[in-house]
Amino acid sequence: GAVVSQHPSRVICKSGTSVKIECRSLDFQATTMFWYRQFPKQSLMLMATSNEGSKATYEQGVEKDKFLINHASLTLSTLTVTSAHPEDSSFYICSARQGAVRGYTFGSGTRLTVV
Amino acid sequence: AQSVTQPDIHITVSEGASLELRCNYSYGATPYLFWYVQSPGQGLQLLLKYFSGDTLVQGIKGFEAEFKRSQSSFNLRKPSVHWSDAAEYFCAVGAGGGNEKLTFGTGTRLTIIP
Repeated sequence: GAVVSQHPSRVICKSGTSVKIECRSLDFQATTMFWYRQFPKQSLMLMATSNEGSKATYEQGVEKDKFLINHASLTLSTLTVTSAHPEDSSFYICSARQGAVRGYTFGSGTRLTVV
Repeated sequence: AQSVTQPDIHITVSEGASLELRCNYSYGATPYLFWYVQSPGQGLQLLLKYFSGDTLVQGIKGFEAEFKRSQSSFNLRKPSVHWSDAAEYFCAVGAGGGNEKLTFGTGTRLTIIP
């Protein structure tokens, strides 16, 4: 079955620093990947859609310069939280789409804590 | 734009009892519908999905869901729950046809009591 690996699972960083989160599709090629943010006991909010070889499409209200997304290959997308602040602390989840019918596979998430 | 409503924030069920989690969607055409389960601190696992065809969909872990167009619903059911089913359940809708975004409901937290 389709597997998406997300790394790291947990990260603690200091305010003002940057953090990179990786999302890899291990056994399939994902032309499209998605990045979500989830606050405690809440649903997933789509941050951006990442297409291989092109610029990401950000949802309204998401700062492009703060949440940098790179999708350089068909198996890897990265989310970099730049100049992190405590309010950026959250659970970030990526998802990869296999195609119109196969659906979406999710990574195991990254718990980011900014101190 | 599509939307999903999960009316029940929290449901408590006795182990061995039946379960139904409600999901209502809003979308003009035939939607792509999904149910996912999330354990604390984990990602989402796909339980089942509906794209077309038979409106009763079988999934993993003994779950099933029925697509009812007339009611704009896609309720998740299980005849007998196990303690390991305690988790957060999310219903999601996708528009398909090139619009790849999934829209999630607010989730239903399932608690199982002995």
